[in-house]
Amino acid sequence: NAGVTQTPKFRVLKTGQSMTLLCAQDMNHEYMYWYRQDPGMGLRLIHYSVGEGTTAKGEVPDGYNVSRLKKQNFLLGLESAAPSQTSVYFCASSYRAVYRKLFFGSGTQLSVL
Amino acid sequence: QQPVQSPQAVILREGEDAVINCSSSKALYSVHWYRQKHGEAPVFLMILLKGGEQKGHEKISASFNEKKQQSSLYLTASQLSYSGTYFCGTEISWEETSGSRLTFGEGTQLTVNP
Repeated sequence: NAGVTQTPKFRVLKTGQSMTLLCAQDMNHEYMYWYRQDPGMGLRLIHYSVGEGTTAKGEVPDGYNVSRLKKQNFLLGLESAAPSQTSVYFCASSYRAVYRKLFFGSGTQLSVL
Repeated sequence: QQPVQSPQAVILREGEDAVINCSSSKALYSVHWYRQKHGEAPVFLMILLKGGEQKGHEKISASFNEKKQQSSLYLTASQLSYSGTYFCGTEISWEETSGSRLTFGEGTQLTVNP
């Protein structure tokens, strides 16, 4: 039982390049989330999904796109990376319940030069 | 809107108590608490719902004052393992089919020294 797995763990991009971060969970969770964490700013919600085929915007969605084609996977895409997107990205998942515990992945350190 | 946490940082000696506060300018449906150790992912501590009771274990508990839109996390007789950054997350509403936007504060860095 792996929980929430994020790939890759580290990545360096040049400005303008694109990439996709993959999040996979094996707990049959309905909800999935993408957060970014910057020093002194806590966790900010980028996008989230309440089920397969559905996505919604969070607090800071600009510059990112997401897809949830399969229940267990939630992809975060950067079409044209900018230095402001240098951050640690966390994926999380939870059951669809009012008392829900978010399980976080180990994070992806992304640097955009 | 991001909740406000206070204090930003606190240093304790082992065995001392601490209180971390979380406040919002909007009426809240729920408050969530997480702890993150350096270089690791956040880990769930507890969730408090509007109208619910104080939650927690013997040494880590929390309260939720709906009228003031505030929550407090209480750490009693702190241990070295309590060190880390504590985040509160808030949501103003929740519906099963539409989910929610759980918004986190900037965190409170807690250091427990021997």
